[in-house]
Amino acid sequence: NAGVTQTPKFRVLKTGQSMTLLCAQDMNHEYMYWYRQDPGMGLRLIHYSVGEGTTAKGEVPDGYNVSRLKKQNFLLGLESAAPSQTSVYFCASSSLTGAASGNTIYFGEGSWLTVV
Amino acid sequence: AQTVTQSQPEMSVQEAETVTLSCTYDTSESNYYLFWYKQPPSRQMILVIRQEAYKQQNATENRFSVNFQKAAKSFSLKISDSQLGDTAMYFCAFMGWNTGNQFYFGTGTSLTVIP
Repeated sequence: NAGVTQTPKFRVLKTGQSMTLLCAQDMNHEYMYWYRQDPGMGLRLIHYSVGEGTTAKGEVPDGYNVSRLKKQNFLLGLESAAPSQTSVYFCASSSLTGAASGNTIYFGEGSWLTVV
Repeated sequence: AQTVTQSQPEMSVQEAETVTLSCTYDTSESNYYLFWYKQPPSRQMILVIRQEAYKQQNATENRFSVNFQKAAKSFSLKISDSQLGDTAMYFCAFMGWNTGNQFYFGTGTSLTVIP
């Protein structure tokens, strides 16, 4: 099983450039998330989605936009990258079900983004 | 809002010994889930163990077990017979039944297993 797949794994951007991180999950999960991880700050939620066509802001949404046009995909966009957005980004998905695998969040392998 | 606190930024343990990582949380919900995730140097987030709040029995997974104290809102992870491969960052996480599948994470505890 592929689970949650993120692309690209690594990217270096110049300040002001734009880019999109792609997340795909093959578990038919309703919920998808984008987190960023910075030293000493744990995982902070950027945006999330509770279903196809819906998105919502998390804890640190400024400077990011997201879209969920298909259930299996969740895109994170940086319109004008800033050095403060240098981070490791994690996509994740979950399903609120009674199954053993439900109510658990599954992560992609992370995307390292450096803004210079 | 829910909060998850890990008060031990760094810990170390001798190989084959036992170590306990602490986690406390704050919530007004009665139905929720608690998790421990492991993040090795590869940065992959790996589920270690999960506890449903309505279950009184503490969850166990091989060498990993939890001490869930619902009234005290405490959820500690015990690692027995520590191995070098246990060296990682460990995150405690909370998911409330009424919070729309939102997961809240602590800031992590960096565990080093010393040979």
